[in-house]
Amino acid sequence: SQQGEEDPQALSIQEGENATMNCSYKTSINNLQWYRQNSGRGLVHLILIRSNEREKHSGRLRVTLDTSKKSSSLLITASRAADTASYFCATDARKTSGSRLTFGEGTQLTVNP
Amino acid sequence: GAGVSQSPRYKVTKRGQDVALRCDPISGHVSLYWYRQALGQGPEFLTYFNYEAQQDKSGLPNDRFSAERPEGSISTLTIQRTEQRDSAMYRCASSLKNTFSSYNEQFFGPGTRLTVL
Repeated sequence: SQQGEEDPQALSIQEGENATMNCSYKTSINNLQWYRQNSGRGLVHLILIRSNEREKHSGRLRVTLDTSKKSSSLLITASRAADTASYFCATDARKTSGSRLTFGEGTQLTVNP
Repeated sequence: GAGVSQSPRYKVTKRGQDVALRCDPISGHVSLYWYRQALGQGPEFLTYFNYEAQQDKSGLPNDRFSAERPEGSISTLTIQRTEQRDSAMYRCASSLKNTFSSYNEQFFGPGTRLTVL
């Protein structure tokens, strides 16, 4: 079963704008990860944030984590058409259920040129 | 270096047939995971291995599904007596190690698209 819920389900923006996607989860976690999936392709790992971290940056990506609210956000700045993809958050609740990743249902991002 | 590979990339089979899906993880990766992804949804965990030992198979839907990794490298996911509801993308992932002191970045393969007619 899916643990996370992503919000919004779909997002359409213009090139150059920022895109923010949110993820909520239900159980305590060891870390939270964001993945990207291009149409017809595999999942690509973007960034991992540990449960004791609050914010992390990687290039144009910024991830925040609020464990008290059991939520995370992914911000993509200065978006490009190539950022068009589905974005999934995935939680690793290793302490309770082993090392499986539990994925949300994803946000479909469309960046219009 | 090579990433995770899966074969076949596409499999069409008739209901009632058995299928075997193969995963070749990144060389040296200790942990190997199987997920299933329905269209428009995120991947759903099936099972995972550390080396050759199956650590968690609680995500396997029923006893028609099984997996093995006999030599701690290549893994096979087998579905017996396939049903139409088994149609999905089956994804394999591997990670370097899996301990409480490590963080579990998983590298995914391209998947096998299974269609059961």
